[in-house]
Amino acid sequence: DAGVIQSPRHEVTEMGQEVTLRCKPISGHDYLFWYRQTMMRGLELLIYFNNNVPIDDSGMPEDRFSAKMPNASFSTLKIQPSEPRDSAVYFCASSFGTGGRNEQFFGPGTRLTVL
Amino acid sequence: DQQVKQNSPSLSVQEGRISILNCDYTNSMFDYFLWYKKYPAEGPTFLISISSIKDKNEDGRFTVFLNKSAKHLSLHIVPSQPGDSAVYFCAASGVDSNYQLIWGAGTKLIIKP
Repeated sequence: DAGVIQSPRHEVTEMGQEVTLRCKPISGHDYLFWYRQTMMRGLELLIYFNNNVPIDDSGMPEDRFSAKMPNASFSTLKIQPSEPRDSAVYFCASSFGTGGRNEQFFGPGTRLTVL
Repeated sequence: DQQVKQNSPSLSVQEGRISILNCDYTNSMFDYFLWYKKYPAEGPTFLISISSIKDKNEDGRFTVFLNKSAKHLSLHIVPSQPGDSAVYFCAASGVDSNYQLIWGAGTKLIIKP
């Protein structure tokens, strides 16, 4: 398996633009997580899915953020409109079984810069 | 309110010596603890874990110690190698977090040759 795949690896956009981050989890994993890493706040859980269903989105900072998982092999995180404070590295991770008890496998991340 | 704290942003250790990374937590309901390692431009990778029913777990050069009364855990790396230079994240889970991970801010470990 190729591991968790994220695209794009880098995204530079202007304030107000829509940004879509993509993730392909490891086949067979039933949990998918979206994280954001910043210098100030470290690694924050934004939202997670179990069997394609969003379970907890309490970490999503604002209504400008939305996430979907239309099938077991694909998820998106969308920011609309984007703001400079959204600049961060966004990670997608997947696991077989709940993430707090089982190893989570992370993608390489998407570095987002909003100008 | 940070429930998992790694108070040392960075740590520098001589190659061959012991590296000790510390982590404190505030929620007594946490019952499972994990360490992840992260290289630049990569996602974190799982390193070692410990359940609250244990006070020590060992895997090769890596040992995690848990002191429940002090709400403190530590990761020992012996001997330290240049490839250990990375950011180390402590994470915890329990019923209060719906068994999802609460992460510390990370400690950057630098192994000096």
